[in-house]
Amino acid sequence: AQTVTQSQPEMSVQEAETVTLSCTYDTSESDYYLFWYKQPPSRQMILVIRQEAYKQQNATENRFSVNFQKAAKSFSLKISDSQLGDAAMYFCALIMTSGSRLTFGEGTQLTVNP
Amino acid sequence: DTAVSQTPKYLVTQMGNDKSIKCEQNLGHDTMYWYKQDSKKFLKIMFSYNNKELIINETVPNRFSPKSPDKAHLNLHINSLELGDSAVYFCASSPSTGYAFFGQGTRLTVV
Repeated sequence: AQTVTQSQPEMSVQEAETVTLSCTYDTSESDYYLFWYKQPPSRQMILVIRQEAYKQQNATENRFSVNFQKAAKSFSLKISDSQLGDAAMYFCALIMTSGSRLTFGEGTQLTVNP
Repeated sequence: DTAVSQTPKYLVTQMGNDKSIKCEQNLGHDTMYWYKQDSKKFLKIMFSYNNKELIINETVPNRFSPKSPDKAHLNLHINSLELGDSAVYFCASSPSTGYAFFGQGTRLTVV
């Protein structure tokens, strides 16, 4: 069975500052994908960033980057130069390359203060 | 062109009614899902289909029945609706591996 845990129900950051959201996961398999999704108040689920487990290099997408620690089963999201539009619920998710089950963490509600 | 489209966006209905939510994807993906998001925002998988075949059927009341007439469609039918069924239901699709594209969600309110 695979599990994803986000231990921070809420986080806040000042506009233009940097914030890191934590995620840990558990799986017995070695091939998988990890994702961060963003859900703004519109409730649309938006992919922020993705990481293949076989890649050692951490993924980056503009102001978003991850710190992927495979041995520690940790996958944190760093948001640099936070903007008001970054305020949303953020979900960490995991899927096996051989599987059909995308498992989500509990979510972290991010507030960006002006 | 919407990649994953689900209708309706909002659904308000009385207890005991039967309702359906439709989902269509134009991405050519093999796998489609239904997820339920509860009031605490937790996303839980309900069903997963791969090429029209049921792959995952979580512990969901049998009042919920998915139907996949073809690879591009996965509809959700709910019988005898209960108050506890109120939630946001998301349809999603993904290629054989990789991330899921989500529909805009259907907010179901049972009164």
